[in-house]
Amino acid sequence: DTGVSQDPRHKITKRGQNVTFRCDPISEHNRLYWYRQTLGQGPEFLTYFQNEAQLEKSRLLSDRFSAERPKGSFSTLEIQRTEQGDSAMYLCASKGGFLYNEQFFGPGTRLTVL
Amino acid sequence: GIQVEQSPPDLILQEGANSTLRCNFSDSVNNLQWFHQNPWGQLINLFYIPSGTKQNGRLSATTVATERYSLLYISSSQTTDSGVYFCAVVTPYDGGATNKLIFGTGTLLAVQP
Repeated sequence: DTGVSQDPRHKITKRGQNVTFRCDPISEHNRLYWYRQTLGQGPEFLTYFQNEAQLEKSRLLSDRFSAERPKGSFSTLEIQRTEQGDSAMYLCASKGGFLYNEQFFGPGTRLTVL
Repeated sequence: GIQVEQSPPDLILQEGANSTLRCNFSDSVNNLQWFHQNPWGQLINLFYIPSGTKQNGRLSATTVATERYSLLYISSSQTTDSGVYFCAVVTPYDGGATNKLIFGTGTLLAVQP
């Protein structure tokens, strides 16, 4: 069990560029979550996958954001036409099945939009 | 929606001191987790504690779900305990059974040598 990993750890981009982040959950965890954390705030839920199905998206997830989990393993989060307001820490978490209620987080990707 | 408030918002301790952090939530919860966010942003699991009391070394936690609060106790604090402590809950009113976490406002702890 190597824990949740995220790549890259840091990303600096210019406004208007597209960025993509990757999350590798704990192996055999079929549930995967993306959260966003802005400075001084707690993380906020963005979206949820059960296996490869995206089952819930927050209203925070504008149409510039898209997430995928094509084979039910790793997930990607893409932001198109980045804005300065997208600057935040993007956190991924995974959880086992119904009987396993604890979520485990990756180290996060810190995005800075100039 | 549910409100999750933590107190105190900030806390400064001398090394070796004890502290109690509180998490109040405004409605019923299914699950509750405590996390420590280190200076690099990593959320470290401390406790999964929807009810009852648990201890792990110098840390312990108690959740009284019927009274809608949870407490995190840190004894003999060390400088490495510094960081932000979050509680996070899952409500039973999650219609899609997502079990998404709703985070509290956090407590920023600084332990001075």
